[in-house]
Amino acid sequence: NAGVTQTPKFRVLKTGQSMTLLCAQDMNHEYMYWYRQDPGMGLRLIHYSVGEGTTAKGEVPDGYNVSRLKKQNFLLGLESAAPSQTSVYFCASSSLRGRSSYNEQFFGPGTRLTVL
Amino acid sequence: AQKITQTQPGMFVQEKEAVTLDCTYDTSDQSYGLFWYKQPSSGEMIFLIYQGSYDEQNATEGRYSLNFQKARKSANLVISASQLGDSAMYFCAMREFGTNTNAGKSTFGDGTTLTVKP
Repeated sequence: NAGVTQTPKFRVLKTGQSMTLLCAQDMNHEYMYWYRQDPGMGLRLIHYSVGEGTTAKGEVPDGYNVSRLKKQNFLLGLESAAPSQTSVYFCASSSLRGRSSYNEQFFGPGTRLTVL
Repeated sequence: AQKITQTQPGMFVQEKEAVTLDCTYDTSDQSYGLFWYKQPSSGEMIFLIYQGSYDEQNATEGRYSLNFQKARKSANLVISASQLGDSAMYFCAMREFGTNTNAGKSTFGDGTTLTVKP
């Protein structure tokens, strides 16, 4: 199993450009998440999804859009990149097996995005 | 709203000693889970330990234990017999399991950087 994969690993954009980050998981997880992590900081939730075809806003959703057309994929889009979106982006997925430790999130390796 | 507070930006511990990393949380949900993750300098996120809100006993996983005080809304991580490889950033996180609109939402604290001294 590959677990959670993210594409691309690195990207440099110019202000105003658009791009899509792809997250894929092969664990049949219901939940998927997109976070951003600024240097020396914690993870802030951008958007998340509790199932195929559903998405919800997290703490910092402005400037981002997401889609979950297939259960295994969760896409994060930046329509018009800004320097404030320079960050490391992590995708995560988890199952829902009641109130148990199986709800841990499995993380991808991250995408380092720089917006000039 | 969910909130996680980690008040220790940085901590130092001598090798082989124990260390406690603090975490307090706020939620209106009765059913939730608390997680601790480790992020070494290489950047990956590693799951360490879990505590459910209805669990009566404190969770333990090897050298990691969680000091869960529900009434005080605290979930401190205790690392025993620290090793040099424990030097990393540690995050406390919470996830609500209830049926409200935030079910599934996850919140992380700002983290604590732990440095283990030889």
